Amino acid sequence: NAGVTQTPKFRVLKTGQSMTLLCAQDMNHEYMYWYRQDPGMGLRLIHYSVGEGTTAKGEVPDGYNVSRLKKQNFLLGLESAAPSQTSVYFCASSYTKDTQYFGPGTRLTVL
Amino acid sequence: GENVEQHPSTLSVQEGDSAVIKCTYSDSASNYFPWYKQELGKRPQLIIDIRSNVGEKKDQRIAVTLNKTAKHFSLHITETQPEDSAVYFCAASIMDTGRRALTFGSGTRLQVQP
Repeated sequence: NAGVTQTPKFRVLKTGQSMTLLCAQDMNHEYMYWYRQDPGMGLRLIHYSVGEGTTAKGEVPDGYNVSRLKKQNFLLGLESAAPSQTSVYFCASSYTKDTQYFGPGTRLTVL
Repeated sequence: GENVEQHPSTLSVQEGDSAVIKCTYSDSASNYFPWYKQELGKRPQLIIDIRSNVGEKKDQRIAVTLNKTAKHFSLHITETQPEDSAVYFCAASIMDTGRRALTFGSGTRLQVQP
């Protein structure tokens, strides 16, 4: 099992550009999450999904959109990137045992 | 919503000493409290968790205690080793709901001096 994977690992964008981050899990987990991690602020929840076809807002959803068309994939989109979105993005998934498994992260820089 | 505060932000101990990290939470409905360890440049990994129906849980050198009345929980690491050096995050959530997302503390950077 690959567990939770994220694509890409690194990305540099210019202000106003768009991009999509892909999270994939092969553990048949129902729940998937996107977090961002900034220095001194821990991990903050952007959006999450409790099953295929469902999404919900987290703590810091502005400027991001998500989709969960397939159970194993959770996509995070930035329509018009801003420097404030420079961060490390982590995807996570969980089943009913509550333990969340994290992906390796995507380091995004917006210039 | 839930708010989790974590202290201290940095902690330096000598190898072999104990380390204690404390967290408080605001939502009395929270009933699941995991601790994650994150090494530099790596993903957070679960090291121990506790549910609100128990007051203490231990796994080798790591233990977590929970005080529901005071709404705080702590991570205890005994006989620290250099490989324990990392950032530790506490978190809280309400299980058995559709949300299940975690609210994290801001992290504690633990440095174990050899």
